[in-house]
Amino acid sequence: NAGVTQTPKFRVLKTGQSMTLLCAQDMNHEYMYWYRQDPGMGLRLIHYSVGEGTTAKGEVPDGYNVSRLKKQNFLLGLESAAPSQTSVYFCACGRVQETQYFGPGTRLLVL
Amino acid sequence: AQSVTQPDIHITVSEGASLELRCNYSYGATPYLFWYVQSPGQGLQLLLKYFSGDTLVQGIKGFEAEFKRSQSSFNLRKPSVHWSDAAEYFCAVGASSGTYKYIFGTGTRLKVLA
Repeated sequence: NAGVTQTPKFRVLKTGQSMTLLCAQDMNHEYMYWYRQDPGMGLRLIHYSVGEGTTAKGEVPDGYNVSRLKKQNFLLGLESAAPSQTSVYFCACGRVQETQYFGPGTRLLVL
Repeated sequence: AQSVTQPDIHITVSEGASLELRCNYSYGATPYLFWYVQSPGQGLQLLLKYFSGDTLVQGIKGFEAEFKRSQSSFNLRKPSVHWSDAAEYFCAVGASSGTYKYIFGTGTRLKVLA
């Protein structure tokens, strides 16, 4: 039982490159979330999903896209990376009314 | 709009001393309230949560928090801090219905002096 895993753990991109962050959960939760964490700003919600095939925008969605083709996976895409997207990205699953379980994070540096 | 304020960015306490981390929220209805802890380079771990009922909730690692509706606060406390408690602590509010997301505070970084 791995819980929530994120791939990759660390990545360096050049401005304009694209990449996809993968989140996988084996907890059978319907709800999944992508956050970014920046110093002094806490965690901010990028996108979330309330079930397979559904996605919705969070607080800071610009520059990101997501897909939830399978219940256990939630992908976060950066089509054209910018230095402002340098951050630590966390995936989480679980209902707000219960508990959210977080992955270990992905550190992204955009040069 | 929902919001969460953690007024202390950094707090330093001596090992064995008591600790209180402040959290104030703004929300029109009864919120779900959470405290999470993040050790360096790690994800977030739930310490405790309040949904309803007894306003004093107990969590893991000896932490407790008290919900005070009149003050819109949910402060985290520990009677005796251990060096291993050094970490960043986040308060979060979740909507009680309708939306499906948390609002996090900006965090309080705790330093423990030996």
